[in-house]
Amino acid sequence: GQNIDQPTEMTATEGAIVQINCTYQTSGFNGLFWYQQHAGEAPTFLSYNVLDGLEEKGRFSSFLSRSKGYSYLLLKELQMKDSASYLCAVMDSNYQLIWGAGTKLIIKP
Amino acid sequence: ETGVTQTPRHLVMGMTNKKSLKCEQHLGHNAMYWYKQSAKKPLELMFVYNFKEQTENNSVPSRFSPECPNSSHLFLHLHTLQPEDSALYLCASSQRSKGDYNEQFFGPGTRLTVL
Repeated sequence: GQNIDQPTEMTATEGAIVQINCTYQTSGFNGLFWYQQHAGEAPTFLSYNVLDGLEEKGRFSSFLSRSKGYSYLLLKELQMKDSASYLCAVMDSNYQLIWGAGTKLIIKP
Repeated sequence: ETGVTQTPRHLVMGMTNKKSLKCEQHLGHNAMYWYKQSAKKPLELMFVYNFKEQTENNSVPSRFSPECPNSSHLFLHLHTLQPEDSALYLCASSQRSKGDYNEQFFGPGTRLTVL
């Protein structure tokens, strides 16, 4: 079956760095997405990786290793507004998104 | 403010009621999606419409009935729901084309409670 695993919850301190991991097993691979979802709001797109390596976008970076079925989202200089759920999703061979359950990130002052 | 709107934002209904959820996208996309989001569970894809035609139906019970009258509007008709259907229902849209990564844009969702 298809499976996306990510930690349920993480806690970090304002100003610090946090890495949220995602491992996947899917039938085919057409890219990996990270979305951010604040409580009660819509998920919003953060990043897309289809080739191995690191993609940097401001304070957020996303890494992919296709051979290991592994990705991470790196958040630097954490701010209180980064408190949210972070969703990992993989596009399979049918171009359908397979979603993880999300990682709830709690930022403490 | 995203380009995808959903109404109502909150809905409470009894098991014998009939109601409809509405989604509208203002992005000129050619594909629309219904997802169910339950607490601490992955997003579940329910229906996909591509150019107004349903292309996916992931074993969703018949008490959920989608309708896509045009590429900008999507409805989810609900009848004789069960309490376990209580969840956040998200609508999304994307521009599907070969070779493109097909980023999905989400609406704010309808929080549904079935009593």
